[in-house]
Amino acid sequence: ILNVEQSPQSLHVQEGDSTNFTCSFPSSNFYALHWYRWETAKSPEALFVMTLNGDEKKKGRISATLNTKEGYSYLYIKGSQPEDSATYLCALCNNAGNMLTFGGGTRLMVKP
Amino acid sequence: DVKVTQSSRYLVKRTGEKVFLECVQDMDHENMFWYRQDPGLGLRLIYFSYDVKMKEKGDIPEGYSVSREKKERFSLILESASTNQTSMYLCASSRAGTSGRNEQFFGPGTRLTVL
Repeated sequence: ILNVEQSPQSLHVQEGDSTNFTCSFPSSNFYALHWYRWETAKSPEALFVMTLNGDEKKKGRISATLNTKEGYSYLYIKGSQPEDSATYLCALCNNAGNMLTFGGGTRLMVKP
Repeated sequence: DVKVTQSSRYLVKRTGEKVFLECVQDMDHENMFWYRQDPGLGLRLIYFSYDVKMKEKGDIPEGYSVSREKKERFSLILESASTNQTSMYLCASSRAGTSGRNEQFFGPGTRLTVL
């Protein structure tokens, strides 16, 4: 079983703060790294799928970077808003198929 | 609007009962997945299906079986439910493809309690 780790486990920030969290994974046999956002009482939704070393992706105030050689990805949220409160999951694909191994998630709470 | 639906949001069963969790997707996706989510452990893959009648074991298949008789439907079966199978169960689907590039679409989850 792969070891995909996310840190921190949980994070409390004030509205307007910028924040970031980390996903680390084994760098061998890398195929893709996914980020998902899971809001309470909703289904997880994909934010980004990243495949190339050095990839940077952005969606509104959220962006992510990828370093496949050292085995980590960062997710950044600029100017956090209460609606950003959710659990953020990263998931690694290290096979030619479609199976993902998920990290434990980072639970973000943004206080108004 | 793409959709993955699961048969129940909440389910309470007794130890030893046979339990069926149903998942249906309307996106004509080839791949379907069953995960369980427990606090602090993220999502763990139970089974994966890449085609009708085809399945592969995930990380934690023990105590579970699956059935995929139609492309849109993927069922998770607990042959004899035990208390350690109390968990949130999530179904997902994705298009076929290689290299893990296709995002997964998730259902709302079924919270199963086994007494």
